[in-house]
Amino acid sequence: DGGITQSPKYLFRKEGQNVTLSCEQNLNHDAMYWYRQDPGQGLRLIYYSQIVNDFQKGDIAEGYSVSREKKESFPLTVTSAQKNPTAFYLCASSIGPRGLAGGPGEQFFGPGTRLTVL
Amino acid sequence: SQQGEEDPQALSIQEGENATMNCSYKTSINNLQWYRQNSGRGLVHLILIRSNEREKHSGRLRVTLDTSKKSSSLLITASRAADTASYFCAINTGNQFYFGTGTSLTVIP
Repeated sequence: DGGITQSPKYLFRKEGQNVTLSCEQNLNHDAMYWYRQDPGQGLRLIYYSQIVNDFQKGDIAEGYSVSREKKESFPLTVTSAQKNPTAFYLCASSIGPRGLAGGPGEQFFGPGTRLTVL
Repeated sequence: SQQGEEDPQALSIQEGENATMNCSYKTSINNLQWYRQNSGRGLVHLILIRSNEREKHSGRLRVTLDTSKKSSSLLITASRAADTASYFCAINTGNQFYFGTGTSLTVIP
C-alpha cells in the first residue's frame, strides 16, 4: 500500500523547544517537499529536496531545518528561532527531475501535522 | 509573488449546478496543477495541464489554460455535496510549486 505518511497528527510545543515532524514515503519518489499552511491561506514552501543528501530552501526557510539521509524520509525540525510556528504542516513527494517532460509531475501529500505552540 | 491567485475566494452553489474557479499567475510555467483539500486534510491532486496544452478533461473536471493571459480555469460539472472542499491551483516553475490561496466551494444538497 503505497503512500506518504506524517506523524504525529497533532503536536504541542512549548516556546523555546525544538520539535521534529516526520515524513515518510514508499512511492520511490526522488523529490520531497515541506509546506506550511496558515488558516485560510495557501501553501508556502519551506524546504524541498530533489535527491538524497541535497535540499534547497523555499520561500520561508528561516527557523526550520531538514535532512535527507534516506530517499524515503524527509524530517522537518521547527527550531526555537521560528517566531510563529503554530500552523498546519504538509509534506509532499513527487517523482522529481526524472519525471515527465515539463516538470516534476503531480505531488502526493501526506495527511499533515498540526503544530501548536503553547 | 509567483504564486497563483484563485478567484473567487468562496463559491456557494446548489447540487447539480456547475462550478467554475479561476487561477491567474505572473510567471512562465512548466505546468499548472489543480488540487483539492477537505478541511484539515492533505491535498489531493486533481489534474495537471502542461504549458503546451489548452484543455484537459478528467471525469466531471475540465481545465483550460491560456498562457498568453497567464490564467487557468477549473470547471466542475454536475456538482455534488461531496465536492465541498477548497480548491487550489499550483504553478510549477522548474523544481518548485507555487500555490494560490484557494477557492472554498460549498455545494448545497
